[in-house]
Amino acid sequence: KQEVTQIPAALSVPEGENLVLNCSFTDSAIYNLQWFRQDPGKGLTSLLLIQSSQREQTSGRLNASLDKSSGRSTLYIAASQPGDSATYLCAVSGAGGTSYGKLTFGQGTILTVHP
Amino acid sequence: KAGVTQTPRYLIKTRGQQVTLSCSPISGHRSVSWYQQTPGQGLQFLFEYFSETQRNKGNFPGRFSGRQFSNSRSEMNVSTLELGDSALYLCASSRSKSAYGYTFGSGTRLTVV
Repeated sequence: KQEVTQIPAALSVPEGENLVLNCSFTDSAIYNLQWFRQDPGKGLTSLLLIQSSQREQTSGRLNASLDKSSGRSTLYIAASQPGDSATYLCAVSGAGGTSYGKLTFGQGTILTVHP
Repeated sequence: KAGVTQTPRYLIKTRGQQVTLSCSPISGHRSVSWYQQTPGQGLQFLFEYFSETQRNKGNFPGRFSGRQFSNSRSEMNVSTLELGDSALYLCASSRSKSAYGYTFGSGTRLTVV
């Protein structure tokens, strides 16, 4: 059974700092890994999608890496801003028939960026 | 390009009632998945539909059911509501293969009183 863990559970940083969010998963048989952000009471916004054959993806100030063999991914946020405050969720899509359409999520990292 | 649309946004129901939630996927997306989000359990997978067929199901009681129509729109139904069913229900759509990633709707907030 796939399990996803995110560390830290919460993070508070001053504006302008670079930061790293961590995600680990127990089963390396994945199709891909997706990072999402969720604002309070809202749906999920996809940030980055990394296929299992890729090592990293970049979008603006965000960079996500994937080490499938060790079951780890990191999300790097450069020059953080107050608008980055949200919950960040890591999710893996498993390979194989029993994983159709199923994402397994971590519990999330609550990020607060203060001015 | 329209995103994933979920209706209604908010619902208040009484214990024992039933409820139906709706999800319209992105045009061209044939896979629709449903999730329940609660503060204690986080995001948990309910089920996935592709071309009107349920391909996968999570560990939820039979009170939770769903279906998908020929236009890929999906509904989920919860019968005999319990207080613990209060949650944010999210649906996500994808192209035919998981490799394309998922796009989520804004969710339906269900409160059972």
